[in-house]
Amino acid sequence: DTAVSQTPKYLVTQMGNDKSIKCEQNLGHDTMYWYKQDSKKFLKIMFSYNNKELIINETVPNRFSPKSPDKAHLNLHINSLELGDSAVYFCASSQGLSGGGHGYTFGSGTRLTVV
Amino acid sequence: RKEVEQDPGPFNVPEGATVAFNCTYSNSASQSFFWYRQDCRKEPKLLMSVYSSGNEDGRFTAQLNRASQYISLLIRDSKLSDSATYLCVALPSGGSYIPTFGRGTSLIVHP
Repeated sequence: DTAVSQTPKYLVTQMGNDKSIKCEQNLGHDTMYWYKQDSKKFLKIMFSYNNKELIINETVPNRFSPKSPDKAHLNLHINSLELGDSAVYFCASSQGLSGGGHGYTFGSGTRLTVV
Repeated sequence: RKEVEQDPGPFNVPEGATVAFNCTYSNSASQSFFWYRQDCRKEPKLLMSVYSSGNEDGRFTAQLNRASQYISLLIRDSKLSDSATYLCVALPSGGSYIPTFGRGTSLIVHP
């Protein structure tokens, strides 16, 4: 049983396209996140949702729009993709905003390449 | 921007060696700390939480020094399978709850 699953695993697309990444967790956690890991391996939080409510919205271009239909799902839609958007995007979940002492559980990542 | 600093390494050690990593954080409001392990092209996985009194899990020991604002990870009797990147995370309590990840320290354990 995969705890945090995200699709697709790989995404290659042209500049200017719109794409979505989906994430689902079956851990019963109430908080979900999107992280971006760039080519320098720097992992940065983009968004977090707690009980479907947007809690963290870091300095991210408004071309990125998260959507949480329920506590178990958090999707990420990206409009007008740019070369600089190429990165690995990780979904994660936790119980509570502070990780509940157990930290964050990450999905396996979506490797996005914009050409 | 509040930062978490790590020596990127790589730390190249033989099997059986003891190796230690430090991680400094600049946000004095940080209350929760974690060490994550990330294998190449994989997701980060929680290695251990770091408690104020220090904690040990098998060959791994984590320490927190609030006065100097750093956390450490000690790995004893290194195994080949310990080769990975180790990320430290600092999380402030209350307010934004925005976790800050370090860039990671690369460990290579060789035969």
